[in-house]
Amino acid sequence: EDQVTQSPEALRLQEGESSSLNCSYTVSGLRGLFWYRQDPGKGPEFLFTLYSAGEEKEKERLKATLTKKESFLHITAPKPEDSATYLCAVLSQGGSEKLVFGKGTKLTVNP
Amino acid sequence: DTGVSQDPRHKITKRGQNVTFRCDPISEHNRLYWYRQTLGQGPEFLTYFQNEAQLEKSRLLSDRFSAERPKGSFSTLEIQRTEQGDSAMYLCASTNEGGGNTIYFGEGSWLTVV
Repeated sequence: EDQVTQSPEALRLQEGESSSLNCSYTVSGLRGLFWYRQDPGKGPEFLFTLYSAGEEKEKERLKATLTKKESFLHITAPKPEDSATYLCAVLSQGGSEKLVFGKGTKLTVNP
Repeated sequence: DTGVSQDPRHKITKRGQNVTFRCDPISEHNRLYWYRQTLGQGPEFLTYFQNEAQLEKSRLLSDRFSAERPKGSFSTLEIQRTEQGDSAMYLCASTNEGGGNTIYFGEGSWLTVV
């Protein structure tokens, strides 16, 4: 069964303090790994899709990387507006179209 | 705004009542998904449609839940005889066929069963 584990569950940073979020996954063949941002009471907002090990994508202060077992979301010089829950999800090659999500990492950036 | 639209955004209902949620996907997206999310958890897959055909259903989708997508455009998710355990946010998402394409989510419909 496909599984996604995110760590840490919660992370507090000072503004400008860079860090990384981890997403470990187990799938029967990876079709895609997705990162989403979710603000309280709202739906997930798409950030990145990664398809193969070694792939990297960047958007503003965020950079996502992928290996065969995990993905990292690096946050460089974060700002308070980056505070949110970051969700990781995988889509496997097993024939199902469902995304399997982790529980998320709640990021708080203090000014 | 041409994103995924969900209605209502919030619903409070008494246990035992039926509720229905509507989702309008992004125009021309032929795949539509329903997920459920509870506090502190990631979204859990419920079902998905390709055009009007319901191609996959989760074991989470008990016989009290039914989803439809007539004409392959908007979709409805109905919960019959609601229970307190049904309290959650119900998320709709859409994408184009191709697998691995970006899946866009709506803002969700909050259900509280009292």
